[in-house]
Amino acid sequence: AQKVTQAQTEISVVEKEDVTLDCVYETRDTTYYLFWYKQPPSGELVFLIRRNSFDEQNEISGRYSWNFQKSTSSFNFTITASQVVDSAVYFCALSGVRYNTDKLIFGTGTRLQVFP
Amino acid sequence: DGGITQSPKYLFRKEGQNVTLSCEQNLNHDAMYWYRQDPGQGLRLIYYSQIVNDFQKGDIAEGYSVSREKKESFPLTVTSAQKNPTAFYLCASSIRMGNQPQHFGDGTRLSIL
Repeated sequence: AQKVTQAQTEISVVEKEDVTLDCVYETRDTTYYLFWYKQPPSGELVFLIRRNSFDEQNEISGRYSWNFQKSTSSFNFTITASQVVDSAVYFCALSGVRYNTDKLIFGTGTRLQVFP
Repeated sequence: DGGITQSPKYLFRKEGQNVTLSCEQNLNHDAMYWYRQDPGQGLRLIYYSQIVNDFQKGDIAEGYSVSREKKESFPLTVTSAQKNPTAFYLCASSIRMGNQPQHFGDGTRLSIL
């Protein structure tokens, strides 16, 4: 079975703090993909990153960075020097290639509130 | 601008009524999806379509129906058989099936009168 766990329901920080959002996944697939999406108050999900299971290099994009560790089945997301505009719900998601159906399994999301 | 348009933004359903949610994309994507989002839960897949005139059930298809007569359009009908339809519905598309990033519309919130 495939499963994504985001244990942090809600996180509150003050602007300029660093914050890490945790994501733990379960899958029996040897080839799979992990995603992060941002859902601002407007409702749409915004794609942030896709990482395949063979690429364990950490990635940095501006203030965002991602730490993928297969040994612990985790794909954590860090925002450095958080800003009020980062306030949103963040979803981690998993898809496998076994059936090539592109079905995304979402975690329950982490609501991040950044206060000025 | 390319993107996904969902309408209406808010929709109210009476008991026993079918309602249809619209989803249109001009991204020239082959694959389209419908998700349901409930408070405190992740998104759950209702239906998906890999190509025109083809669609498959997702994890929670009961009480819903779709059609894919045109590449750009993937409407979702919430039938009276769906006993708990109150939720936020999101439509998405991707260039093709195969773990590509999905692009989302800004959703339709459906409530029961």
